[in-house]
Amino acid sequence: DAGVTQSPTHLIKTRGQQVTLRCSPKSGHDTVSWYQQALGQGPQFIFQYYEEEERQRGNFPDRFSGHQFPNYSSELNVNALLLGDSALYLCASSSTGAPNYGYTFGSGTRLTVV
Amino acid sequence: AQSVAQPEDQVNVAEGNPLTVKCTYSVSGNPYLFWYVQYPNRGLQFLLKYITGDNLVKGSYGFEAEFNKSQTSFHLKKPSALVSDSALYFCAAEGQMDSSYKLIFGCGTRLLVRP
Repeated sequence: DAGVTQSPTHLIKTRGQQVTLRCSPKSGHDTVSWYQQALGQGPQFIFQYYEEEERQRGNFPDRFSGHQFPNYSSELNVNALLLGDSALYLCASSSTGAPNYGYTFGSGTRLTVV
Repeated sequence: AQSVAQPEDQVNVAEGNPLTVKCTYSVSGNPYLFWYVQYPNRGLQFLLKYITGDNLVKGSYGFEAEFNKSQTSFHLKKPSALVSDSALYFCAAEGQMDSSYKLIFGCGTRLLVRP
């Protein structure tokens, strides 16, 4: 049973560019959340997608956007990259309303902006 | 603002000794509480969660956590530490009011178990 899969594992971008990160949720999960973990910090909630819509959003600018597809996979897009966007981006999947409540995290995408 | 605090940046313990990693929270309602562990260049691995019921929660790899509502704490414990337990530990809370669907994380505590 595959867990949460994120791609790519690492990438390097230049300031001002745009980036797309991808996430495939754990089998049986229908909800995807994205978190940003800066170096030495705890993860910060970006947003959550359920039924192909953004259900909740954290304190991140509109440069951060997302999408959820009918197969429950998700993308995180960041436009006009800043040096401060360098971080580990974590995807977490869950099952809304499931009795065994919990989030499963992927291994993350390490984004470096130069 | 809702928050989770982990007051110790690092905890050092000798192998075989008991360990405690502290966590307090300031989240409205009756939040769900979680502990995750992170190894270098990896994502977060789930250890245990508290939703309701018994205040002592048992989790993976011999870890347990004690929920204390009056002190708003959720400390992680293990009776006998292993060198392989050395990692970064995160406490997290999910509020159950206002349809909150996000985890609020502490800044993490680095656990170092020396042989």
